[in-house]
Amino acid sequence: KQEVTQIPAALSVPEGENLVLNCSFTDSAIYNLQWFRQDPGKGLTSLLLIQSSQREQTSGRLNASLDKSSGRSTLYIAASQPGDSATYLCAVVGANNLFFGTGTRLTVIP
Amino acid sequence: ETGVTQSPTHLIKTRGQQVTLRCSSQSGHNTVSWYQQALGQGPQFIFQYYREEENGRGNFPPRFSGLQFPNYSSELNVNALELDDSALYLCASSLGHRGSGANVLTFGAGSRLTVL
Repeated sequence: KQEVTQIPAALSVPEGENLVLNCSFTDSAIYNLQWFRQDPGKGLTSLLLIQSSQREQTSGRLNASLDKSSGRSTLYIAASQPGDSATYLCAVVGANNLFFGTGTRLTVIP
Repeated sequence: ETGVTQSPTHLIKTRGQQVTLRCSSQSGHNTVSWYQQALGQGPQFIFQYYREEENGRGNFPPRFSGLQFPNYSSELNVNALELDDSALYLCASSLGHRGSGANVLTFGAGSRLTVL
């Protein structure tokens, strides 16, 4: 069974700092990997999707990498802003469903 | 193009009752998936419907059931509610083919269920 782990569980950084969120998974037979953002009490917003054949994907200040062989993905956020404060979820895509980690709760301090 | 809409947004039930949650998929999408997210946890897959048929199910008991309608909207029904059913229930739609797995999901804002 696929298991997804995210480290750290929570992170506080001052505004302007660059940061890295980590995601690991146990089964490398994946279709793709997605990073989501979730604001308190809200649904999920897709940030980046990396196909299994890709190594990385970029959108604005966000860059996600994927290393299938080691079962790892990272989400890099450049020049963090208070508006980036949210929970970030990593999800590995199987045949019919997503396997989610428990998330990293990010707080960016002004 | 409308996104995924869910109703109701919040509801409170008592143990033993039944609940129905509803989801309208994004225009053009034919696949709907349901997830349960307990407080402080990541979402857990309940089941998926593709063209009105169940197309995969997670580790949830039979009292969790669903339907997909010809317009691709969907319902999640939970019978004999338990306290542990308190969670945010998320619906996601996609344009998919059976077992393809590689389709981008669009999530709704969720229905928050509290069981007392």
